[in-house]
This record gives sequence, structure tokens and C-alpha cells, in this order.
Amino acid sequence: KQEVTQIPAALSVPEGENLVLNCSFTDSAIYNLQWFRQDPGKGLTSLLLIQSSQREQTSGRLNASLDKSSGRSTLYIAASQPGDSATYLCAVSGDYKLSFGAGTTVTVRA
Amino acid sequence: SQTIHQWPATLVQPVGSPLSLECTVEGTSNPNLYWYRQAAGRGLQLLFYSVGIGQISSEVPQNLSASRPQDRQFILSSKKLLLSDSGFYLCAWSKKPGRNEQFFGPGTRLTVL
Repeated sequence: KQEVTQIPAALSVPEGENLVLNCSFTDSAIYNLQWFRQDPGKGLTSLLLIQSSQREQTSGRLNASLDKSSGRSTLYIAASQPGDSATYLCAVSGDYKLSFGAGTTVTVRA
Repeated sequence: SQTIHQWPATLVQPVGSPLSLECTVEGTSNPNLYWYRQAAGRGLQLLFYSVGIGQISSEVPQNLSASRPQDRQFILSSKKLLLSDSGFYLCAWSKKPGRNEQFFGPGTRLTVL
């Protein structure tokens, strides 16, 4: 059974600081890894999708890396802003099924 | 562009009452569809997925059922709600095959009293 862990569970940083969010998974036989953002009481917004053959993916201030062999992914958010405050979830795909971590709740202080 | 809708947005139901949550997708055809539940203090859990009309796979034995009467419509139901059914229910879709990127709807907050 795939287990996905996200550390830390919560993070508070001043505006402008770079964010580093970690995700680890136990079974390296994945098809892809997705990073999502969830605002309180809302659905999930897909941020980045990394295919298992890729090492990283970038979108604007967001950069995600994937080391499938060691079962790790990292999401970097550059120059954080108060609007980045949310819960960030990673999920790994074992074909049709996504296995989710519990998330990292980020607070960016103005 | 594709859009996914869920309704109702919030629902408060008594224990033992029936449930029907609806999800529809626009702007795509023949998608894979998924129901997830996010319970307080727990991660998202896949409940059901469907690869086509009338084709439902259950991930977790429970008090719920799902149906797909039309290509872009996915319904989550229960005949008698339990307190433990409370949670945030999310519908998602993906292009085939199922390992493609999944896109989520706005969710339904269900409270069973």
C-alpha cells in the first residue's frame, strides 16, 4: 500500500521568503506526482504534474522536483506572498488512483 | 475549457436519511470520474471511480454507492446516512488512461447530525 508523507505539517514564513515543501512516498512504482493547493473549504487546484520520467517541472514561481528512486518530491515557491497561504497537498498516481499526503498548511505573514 | 460542477455545496442531514450528491463535467467527453472524501484530520480517500457509463469500481466498503447514468454525470448516494459519513466530498475527472492529471470540483460539505 502506498504511503505518502508531507513534512512539515505546518509552516509560517514572512513575506518574500522562499518556501520548501517536502513529500515522500513508499512505493516508487508511480506514474506521476501531482501538487495541489487547497484553500479553506474549497476544492483542490492542480499546481504541477510531474511524470515519473521527469526530474522537475516549473510554473511561474513554482518548481517541483522528483526523485522517484528515493521516493521524494519537493515543491519550491519563490518569493512567497500572503496569497500563497493555503494547504499544499502532494499525490502520487498508481494508475487510476491518487494517494494523498495529509498536506502542509502554509501561512505567509505580511 | 473543461469545468466540473458539484451540488449542493453544503448539506446538513439527519442520521438515517438518504443522500444524493451530483457531479457533472463540461467540455470533455468519455472522462474517468472519481469520488473522494476528505474527513476532518484525515487525508483524501478515493471512494469510487468510473471509466464509463454504468461502470463503477469501489475502493472502500462502506455505506455509500455511486452511479454514472450519463457520460459526464457521476452521482454519490446513500440509503441511510451514518454520523461517520460526515466530511468533504470531492469529485474529480481525468482524461483516459486514469494515470493522467486529475482535476477536482469545488466539493460538497456534508454534515450528518
